[in-house]
Amino acid sequence: DVKVTQSSRYLVKRTGEKVFLECVQDMDHENMFWYRQDPGLGLRLIYFSYDVKMKEKGDIPEGYSVSREKKERFSLILESASTNQTSMYLCATLGRAFGGYTFGSGTRLTVV
Amino acid sequence: QKEVEQNSGPLSVPEGAIASLNCTYSDRGSQSFFWYRQYSGKSPELIMSIYSNGDKEDGRFTAQLNKASQYVSLLIRDSQPSDSATYLCAVNGRGRSGGSNYKLTFGKGTLLTVNP
Repeated sequence: DVKVTQSSRYLVKRTGEKVFLECVQDMDHENMFWYRQDPGLGLRLIYFSYDVKMKEKGDIPEGYSVSREKKERFSLILESASTNQTSMYLCATLGRAFGGYTFGSGTRLTVV
Repeated sequence: QKEVEQNSGPLSVPEGAIASLNCTYSDRGSQSFFWYRQYSGKSPELIMSIYSNGDKEDGRFTAQLNKASQYVSLLIRDSQPSDSATYLCAVNGRGRSGGSNYKLTFGKGTLLTVNP
């Protein structure tokens, strides 16, 4: 089974801090995604990557950036955390056989 | 803007009944359709995928797709309290070159409660 590991389950950061959320997968999947999930708004795509060093903006990229230096790792960066970035962040991967995403366990980020 | 709409619920059914969850989508070029189950505080888990018109059965779950009506549904037979969760419908679209677009658009989910 694909394993998608997000480095932190819960995280509390201060406004203005630079925040790194890490996602690592162990199945050589090309495609990786970062979503945030908020009550009433559902899952919204922030950024995704089709390959190493490739990235594309999703629906809500403002205030975020990403890094994919190695195939197995996809990092989400909050350049200057704000309270409206308090959310559940979910990483997902997808292999060549398009059978749907596999999600990591999520990081619940609180910005105070 | 591609949209995926689900009844927000909550949907409440007695144990042993059939739960019916519905989803409509706006992009007529959508090619792949998925149902995810999400328990409270957990991440979504893939339970069904369907790619062609008709029914697909897997145990107590049946996914139904009607591309002409842009409608996909999930039936859960013999509902159990352990089925209580939020169910997310997800749809992918057609990329610029006509192939699959790997991005999924999710509905906001339907909360299902199965009462013992």
